[in-house]
Amino acid sequence: QVQLVQSGVEVKKPGASVTVSCKASGYSFTSYGISWMRQAPGEGLEWMGWISTYNGNTNYAQNFPGRVTMTRDTSTTTAYMELRSLRSDDTAVYYCARAPGGLPPDYWGQGTLVTVSS
Amino acid sequence: QSALTQPLSASGSPGQSVTISCTGTSSDVGGYNYVSWYQQHPGKAPKLMIYEVSRRPTGVPDRFSGSKSGNTASLTVSRLHSEDEADYYCSSYAGSNNLVFGGGTKLTVL
Repeated sequence: QVQLVQSGVEVKKPGASVTVSCKASGYSFTSYGISWMRQAPGEGLEWMGWISTYNGNTNYAQNFPGRVTMTRDTSTTTAYMELRSLRSDDTAVYYCARAPGGLPPDYWGQGTLVTVSS
Repeated sequence: QSALTQPLSASGSPGQSVTISCTGTSSDVGGYNYVSWYQQHPGKAPKLMIYEVSRRPTGVPDRFSGSKSGNTASLTVSRLHSEDEADYYCSSYAGSNNLVFGGGTKLTVL
């Protein structure tokens, strides 16, 4: 069965960076892209960007200029999302999800809580 | 990209039907038949309920249906059950590998 398993809770200070991993299994990893979303406490879902697991091409949302990088490792079927220069309003649950061709995703990871606090 | 517009809340009694709207533009909802709907219970990850406007993934009850007219997509939940109480989000492809989400609707089963 399709599974996306994300890394655990992170607590970071303002200005630091965080990397969240997303280990995929149960399907052909390079046949589907990965989208990343986040959800601040009590708020809605925000799309952050998409990576083609086939060739590594990326497309980032305009809300994160120069702060986000998405990568993937096909040998371990794992996708990564790095967010830099963290601020308190980056506190959120971060989700990865399988996204065929950049379209709305189908299977989601369990989420990773990232807390940014001094 | 601006978020898609959803009502903040919707409600209905068990057995009734409720429809949630999702309004975008011709650059997203109106331009592509790639609208999905997600159900999210508190503390859980979103679950896909409808994809490509009106298709249901295996295992999703046929009480859930989707449609689209122009720049507005809709999710209808028929024969409401108590377990349908959750937040619902729409999402649309917006071209060039861009996605946009709605702000979410809290569905209350009275």
